[in-house]
Amino acid sequence: GAGVSQSPSNKVTEKGKDVELRCDPISGHTALYWYRQSLGQGLEFLIYFQGNSAPDKSGLPSDRFSAERTGGSVSTLTIQRTQQEDSAVYLCASSLDFSNQPQHFGDGTRLSIL
Amino acid sequence: DQQVKQNSPSLSVQEGRISILNCDYTNSMFDYFLWYKKYPAEGPTFLISISSIKDKNEDGRFTVFLNKSAKHLSLHIVPSQPGDSAVYFCAASHSGTYKYIFGTGTRLKVLA
Repeated sequence: GAGVSQSPSNKVTEKGKDVELRCDPISGHTALYWYRQSLGQGLEFLIYFQGNSAPDKSGLPSDRFSAERTGGSVSTLTIQRTQQEDSAVYLCASSLDFSNQPQHFGDGTRLSIL
Repeated sequence: DQQVKQNSPSLSVQEGRISILNCDYTNSMFDYFLWYKKYPAEGPTFLISISSIKDKNEDGRFTVFLNKSAKHLSLHIVPSQPGDSAVYFCAASHSGTYKYIFGTGTRLKVLA
């Protein structure tokens, strides 16, 4: 498709389980971002990938969170031993590069931890 | 410390009138600003941007104004339409970085 694709669109899981969220960026976009939006909050930066450079993981809230980007395209965000406070919408965005380029967002994954 | 603030969580406007959404920032290093629109269950959609070398940028019904001395930007929608009802986020960054700082959003409701 032409836009950023995220899967699954919804995920409900029990506390303590691991979850994996997927993002397929727009073809040719070298920059990829993960954000989290909790209820009533703005978009919280999690991690950034740009080309082959080392990712900026400074926004990851704990070591239970990790992300990979394989082959400079698809990215997966993994949350281990999920907690109820991890419940949020996880949004992925991509752009051509980072320099004053608007980001194009996917529709997000709504994660609910029971 | 919230560097980008949208102090109005919601706004209601009559169809055909002007909608004005406001955003304040604290970091004087910010030099690029964007507005996004978000419908329920969808990701944010880029609307309009402005660089700090300008004080106004216009695109159809949407105009963004930047007041650097006040560290304030606003989005004007004229005329407002029911399809404009959504949550609007402002975001800011500074050159050489890739981090965009987002506000908490303003929910706009345009009444028919």
